[in-house]
Amino acid sequence: NAGVTQTPKFQVLKTGQSMTLQCAQDMNHNSMYWYRQDPGMGLRLIYYSASEGTTDKGEVPNGYNVSRLNKREFSLRLESAAPSQTSVYFCASSPGTEIPSDYEQYFGPGTRLTVT
Amino acid sequence: AQSVTQLDSQVPVFEEAPVELRCNYSSSVSVYLFWYVQYPNQGLQLLLKYLSGSTLVKGINGFEAEFNKSQTSFHLRKPSVHISDTAEYFCAVSPPFLSGSARQLTFGSGTQLTVLP
Repeated sequence: NAGVTQTPKFQVLKTGQSMTLQCAQDMNHNSMYWYRQDPGMGLRLIYYSASEGTTDKGEVPNGYNVSRLNKREFSLRLESAAPSQTSVYFCASSPGTEIPSDYEQYFGPGTRLTVT
Repeated sequence: AQSVTQLDSQVPVFEEAPVELRCNYSSSVSVYLFWYVQYPNQGLQLLLKYLSGSTLVKGINGFEAEFNKSQTSFHLRKPSVHISDTAEYFCAVSPPFLSGSARQLTFGSGTQLTVLP
């Protein structure tokens, strides 16, 4: 199993350009998440999807959109990139059941995005 | 809402010395607690978790953490560190299950552990 995969690994954008970050998981998980990681701020939740067909805003959703394409895939789109969106983006998934031991989230390797 | 405070942003320690990374949380309800580790240029992986039961939790790579409800703390410890433990460590909390919602994690700001030879 590959776990959680993300593409691309690195990306440089100019201000105003758009792009989509791709995420896929092969663990048959119900829930998926997008985080951004900035120095000294830990991980902040951008959007999440509790189950296929649903998406919800997290702590920092402005400037982003998401699509839960199917159970495996959850993409993050930047419509008009800004320098403030320079960050490392992580996708994660979790089983999404009521069982406490299923609360663990599994993370992808990240996408390093620079907006100039 | 929950919040997590990691009191030290950087912790340097010599190889084979013990280490404690501190984590305090605030929440109006019971929470589940986690420690994740991030090695350079990698994603996060779970070290250990506290769900219920014994307040001393053992994880991978010789790490352990103790849940203290009265102090709202979940400090991470290792009796003897190795160079390979150099990484960033994140404490996280999750509220109890809410029907139909995802299991959201709230992360602390992270502690960079640097093990010196």
